[in-house]
Amino acid sequence: NAGVTQTPKFRVLKTGQSMTLLCAQDMNHEYMYWYRQDPGMGLRLIHYSVGEGTTAKGEVPDGYNVSRLKKQNFLLGLESAAPSQTSVYFCASSYEGEAFFGQGTRLTVV
Amino acid sequence: AQKVTQAQTEISVVEKEDVTLDCVYETRDTTYYLFWYKQPPSGELVFLIRRNSFDEQNEISGRYSWNFQKSTSSFNFTITASQVVDSAVYFCALKVLNQGNYGQNFVFGPGTRLSVLP
Repeated sequence: NAGVTQTPKFRVLKTGQSMTLLCAQDMNHEYMYWYRQDPGMGLRLIHYSVGEGTTAKGEVPDGYNVSRLKKQNFLLGLESAAPSQTSVYFCASSYEGEAFFGQGTRLTVV
Repeated sequence: AQKVTQAQTEISVVEKEDVTLDCVYETRDTTYYLFWYKQPPSGELVFLIRRNSFDEQNEISGRYSWNFQKSTSSFNFTITASQVVDSAVYFCALKVLNQGNYGQNFVFGPGTRLSVLP
């Protein structure tokens, strides 16, 4: 079972570049989430989706955009990367209970 | 608004010692879930337990046990006879269920880094 898969696992960007992180889940979950993890701050919600075609802002949405064109995929975009976006990004999906997480993407913006 | 506090930033114990990780949560809602996740050095997030707000029974799973007390809004996690493999960051999380279309979002605490020394 694949569960939640994130690509890529690592990426280095230059300031101002753009990129898209892909999250795919095969559990038919309605809810999907993008979090960022920074030292000492736990996981902070960037954007989330309650179903195909819907997205909403979380706690720290600035500088990011998302799309959920298909139920199984949730894309996170950085339009113009900044050093403050250096972080580990986690995608998760859930139904009623616990969240299932991807392996994480370590992004460095130089 | 919801909030999860894990006051212990880092804990170090010697192998075979018992250790308790504290979690205090805040919510005005009456229907919610509480969770514990483990993040080992490899970085993935591993689900450990879920407890709903109507079930205050303590739970034991091997060396792990959880104490849920609504009166103090706490959901503490105890590892008995700790082992080096227990070294990880542990996160407590809260999910309120009555959010309609707001996605049943998870709120995470800042985490507690546990180091078990041989």
